[in-house]
Amino acid sequence: KAGVTQTPRYLIKTRGQQVTLSCSPISGHRSVSWYQQTPGQGLQFLFEYFSETQRNKGNFPGRFSGRQFSNSRSEMNVSTLELGDSALYLCASSRDRSSVRYTQYFGPGTRLTVL
Amino acid sequence: KQEVTQIPAALSVPEGENLVLNCSFTDSAIYNLQWFRQDPGKGLTSLLLIQSSQREQTSGRLNASLDKSSGRSTLYIAASQPGDSATYLCAVPETSGSRLTFGEGTQLTVNP
Repeated sequence: KAGVTQTPRYLIKTRGQQVTLSCSPISGHRSVSWYQQTPGQGLQFLFEYFSETQRNKGNFPGRFSGRQFSNSRSEMNVSTLELGDSALYLCASSRDRSSVRYTQYFGPGTRLTVL
Repeated sequence: KQEVTQIPAALSVPEGENLVLNCSFTDSAIYNLQWFRQDPGKGLTSLLLIQSSQREQTSGRLNASLDKSSGRSTLYIAASQPGDSATYLCAVPETSGSRLTFGEGTQLTVNP
């Protein structure tokens, strides 16, 4: 069974631009969560989608948004990029929206660099 | 608000040594605890998930224990190898959904 895939793996953008990242969950998984990882803040939760609905949102500004499609694939968008948005963005999928019973599986991440 | 702490932040050991990584959490009302491994610049690999009703979980040379009452979990690595060098993270989910709260991680280096 294929794992979680994320595209692109690397991105270089300049301040003020916008970017879209993509995540394809493991087949059969309907929950997709996004995390931002930086050296200073560690892993921080962005949002979670289940059956095309945002179920949970972290403490990030409105420049960060996402969506989920009917095939469970998810995209996240960051508008008006800032230098501080440089990070590794990780996507995780799970069989169920609640991780109280099921393991979350992470993708390889997208490394975003904002110049 | 749940807080997760990992000690030590970094650990360097010779090959073959048995070692213990520690994880503590402030809210003991957890459903499970998950241990991950992260290689530099890569994503997270799930190692073990311990349900709150379990005391231990084993996978190969890895053994994780959970003590909810004291808010602690340990990851025991037996007979460490250079390939075990990575950052190890523990995480607990919030009670109402999928959001995971992570510790800062322990960076492990196993020297040949």
